[in-house]
Order: sequence, then structure tokens, then C-alpha cells
Amino acid sequence: GDSVTQTEGQVTVSESKSLIINCTYSATSIGYPNLFWYVRYPGEGLQLLLKVITAGQKGSSRGFEATYNKEATSFHLQKASVQESDSAVYYCALNTEGADRLTFGKGTQLIIQP
Amino acid sequence: ETAVFQTPNYHVTQVGNEVSFNCKQTLGHDTMYWYKQDSKKLLKIMFSYNNKQLIVNETVPRRFSPQSSDKAHLNLRIKSVEPEDSAVYLCASSPRTGGLNQDTQYFGPGTRLLVL
Repeated sequence: GDSVTQTEGQVTVSESKSLIINCTYSATSIGYPNLFWYVRYPGEGLQLLLKVITAGQKGSSRGFEATYNKEATSFHLQKASVQESDSAVYYCALNTEGADRLTFGKGTQLIIQP
Repeated sequence: ETAVFQTPNYHVTQVGNEVSFNCKQTLGHDTMYWYKQDSKKLLKIMFSYNNKQLIVNETVPRRFSPQSSDKAHLNLRIKSVEPEDSAVYLCASSPRTGGLNQDTQYFGPGTRLLVL
């Protein structure tokens, strides 16, 4: 079946420093999957941060970027300068043709140090 | 306010009891989902309904049963809970389903279940 791997359960970054959260995926269906980053801020529900449906394209939102790399089967999340308000849990996810569901990674908790 | 609402926020019960969780969406979407987030934080699909019709039913124990009265409501009942049912249950909705679903799923805040 489909799978998404986030290698870091927790990442700690100092405020104003750059961030990268790793995500790789495996999709068994024919064709390329849609890729998503969801975020859960403290006390809030899971919400979409960005999505990319075309291989090779980049998605961006709130200063975050992720590029759909089909060769490396990766969709890493990056930000040039993090803020305290970025503290949250970030989930990488995918869906594939005919699959009426999202497949999630385990999530990465981002902690921002002042 | 348009969103996905879940009740209760938190529920503590004992092994063998029956519990029921409610989910309502006011987004006008056709498709609703239940996901389970276990102690290892992994989110996995349990059920999906499109216009009151069950379209996804993952391999979950038979004590779990979804209930949909209309396309805006999708409840989850667990008969005779077990300790491994302790988890956060997330409800979501999206505009449509089928094919390569590019649609965003909108999530509720979750219901945390603790089985003693």
C-alpha cells in the first residue's frame, strides 16, 4: 500500500533560522500521487498548509515551501526563517487515484527556541 | 460559522462500555471521513462516506460502526470498547470524492478517547 515517511518525530530550531522537515513517500498506484502538508497548531484542528498535484512543481504558503520531487519521491518542507508562531505538528500526506483517503506520515513536532 | 464540529472533546470510559462520537460539518461537503490517531501519532483512515453511502471501510474491528443520517453528519459508535481503542478520533470532510481527489480535507478538532 501507500506510505509516507517522516524521519524526525521532533525538530528544534532557533527563531529566525532555516527549517527543513523531511518527507518521502511510496505510492503503489499507477500515476503520481497528490502531495500535501497539513499542520496542527496547539489547541487547533488539523488544517491544510499546502498541496502540490503536479510532479516538479512547488507549493508555498505562510513562508513555507515544498517541491514535488518524483525522482527522489520526496516532498520536504522548508522555511527560510522560522517564527515562534510556527510551533506546531506538521504532517506530510498523499492520496492516489481511486483512493478516497489520505495517507499520512507520523508527523514532526516543530519546536522554536527563542 | 462553517467548519467541522466534533463532540465530545474528551471521553473516559471503561472496558466493555459503548461510546458514540458525533461529527457535523457545515461546509456543504458531500464526503466525510473518520480517522484514528493512535498513541504513536499515526493517522489512519477508518471510514469514508459520500452522500450517506459508505465508500471506504478499512480493516477495523467490527465493534466500530459509522452512522450517517445525512451528508452533513457522520457519527462513530464503538460497542464494547477495548484498551487499544484509546486514541484521538478525527472527523473530516471534503467537497467530493472519486478519481484523483485533489480536494482538501477539512478536519475537526478531534475526540480523545481514554479506555481504562
